[in-house]
Amino acid sequence: SQTIHQWPATLVQPVGSPLSLECTVEGTSNPNLYWYRQAAGRGLQLLFYSVGIGQISSEVPQNLSASRPQDRQFILSSKKLLLSDSGFYLCAWGRGLNTEAFFGQGTRLTVV
Amino acid sequence: AQSVTQPDIHITVSEGASLELRCNYSYGATPYLFWYVQSPGQGLQLLLKYFSGDTLVQGIKGFEAEFKRSQSSFNLRKPSVHWSDAAEYFCAVGAVRNYGQNFVFGPGTRLSVLP
Repeated sequence: SQTIHQWPATLVQPVGSPLSLECTVEGTSNPNLYWYRQAAGRGLQLLFYSVGIGQISSEVPQNLSASRPQDRQFILSSKKLLLSDSGFYLCAWGRGLNTEAFFGQGTRLTVV
Repeated sequence: AQSVTQPDIHITVSEGASLELRCNYSYGATPYLFWYVQSPGQGLQLLLKYFSGDTLVQGIKGFEAEFKRSQSSFNLRKPSVHWSDAAEYFCAVGAVRNYGQNFVFGPGTRLSVLP
């Protein structure tokens, strides 16, 4: 069966520090991968989407970037964190059009 | 652009009572609709999905949802709520992009259950 792992579970970082969140998927190949952010009391906002190695799409400009160095690995990064980057970050995978997404357990990021 | 609204930010029901969570969507084509549940500090778990066919879909944990195209709605229901159902519920629509498929989520409805 397929599983998705996301770490760390919680992270407290100072403003201006770098960020690296990692997500890996097991039990499937060539998944579509997503990074979402959930701000307090708000819904989920799509940050990045990837259909394959090195292929990253983003719908909103931001202080973050994403990379997909391997088929089942998706990394969310920042060179310098802002206070507004605080939130709950969720990684997800899916099989493409007309299928559901499966989510990781999330990372709670607090920028202080 | 595609969008999903969930009119109720917070709902409180008594254990054993029936539940209906509302969801309305805006999408130009045939929608692919989902309901997810999120416990505090956790990821999202899929409750049910609608792709085509029967407009009443059954999900896990005793939940069901009905797709009504004329009302652009996909409301979630449960006949008898359990205390363990207290969580946040998200409605989502699958939206086709030029790079594939995105999921557009509503803002969520937080459910509290009274003993």
